[in-house]
Amino acid sequence: EVQLVESGGGLIQPGGSLRLSCAVSGFNVSVYYMSWVRQAPGKGLEWVSVIYSGGNTYYADSVKGRFTISRDNSKNMLFLQMNSLRAEDTAVYYCARDDFDGSGYYMSDCWGQGTLVTVSS
Amino acid sequence: DIQMTQSPASLSASVGDRVTVTCRASQTVYNYLNWYQQRPGTAPKLLIYAANTLQSGVPSRFSGSGTGTDFTLTISSLEPEDFATYYCQQTFTTPHNFGQGTKLDI
Repeated sequence: EVQLVESGGGLIQPGGSLRLSCAVSGFNVSVYYMSWVRQAPGKGLEWVSVIYSGGNTYYADSVKGRFTISRDNSKNMLFLQMNSLRAEDTAVYYCARDDFDGSGYYMSDCWGQGTLVTVSS
Repeated sequence: DIQMTQSPASLSASVGDRVTVTCRASQTVYNYLNWYQQRPGTAPKLLIYAANTLQSGVPSRFSGSGTGTDFTLTISSLEPEDFATYYCQQTFTTPHNFGQGTKLDI
C-alpha cells in the first residue's frame, strides 16, 4: 500500500528554520518525481517545490533561496529544509508523489495528510 | 510563470445538478492540466489528468475537457460527497501553479 506521512511541523519564530520529513512506503522515492505543496489557513493550494528522479530541483519564487528539497533514497524519505521562515510561510505542508502516464503527462496521484507549520512570535 | 485562473470562485448547487468549473491558463499548457478535489480537512485527491483522462477509481460523472489555455471540469449529476473545493493545476512547466480553487456548496 502506498503511504506518505509528513512530520516535523510546529510553531517556529520568524527567521527560524525547520525541516519537514515525508516517510514513504509502497514505492521508491528515487524513481519518482516528488513534490511539496502547501496551503495557508483558509486559502488555496500553492505549489512549493519538486525534485525529479534525476535529482534536478525546482522552487516557487516565494521560497527560492530559502527552502531546499532533498531525498534520502536509503531511508525512502523526502525532506524540505525551510530557512529564514516568515509569517506568510504558515501553512499545512503536503508531500506528494508525481507519476507519469504513458504519454508523458504527469500528476500528483498520492498525497500525505499534511503537517502544519506556524511561523509566529 | 504561467498563471491559472478558475471561475467561478464559488458555486451553489443541488444534488443531481450538472455543474461546470472553468480554468484558464495565461499561456498555453497544451494538455498538461490536472484537476483535484479537496474536502475540508483532507489532502487533495487527483480526479483528472492530461486535461481529460479520468484517474483510476474516480466516478464517471466527472469529466474534463479543453486544450491550450481553456479547460473545464464537469460533474454530470452531483452527489452529496461532491460538495468540496476543486483546483486545476498545470504541469507543463515549473512552477506547477494551481488555480485559486472553486468551492462547490449546497
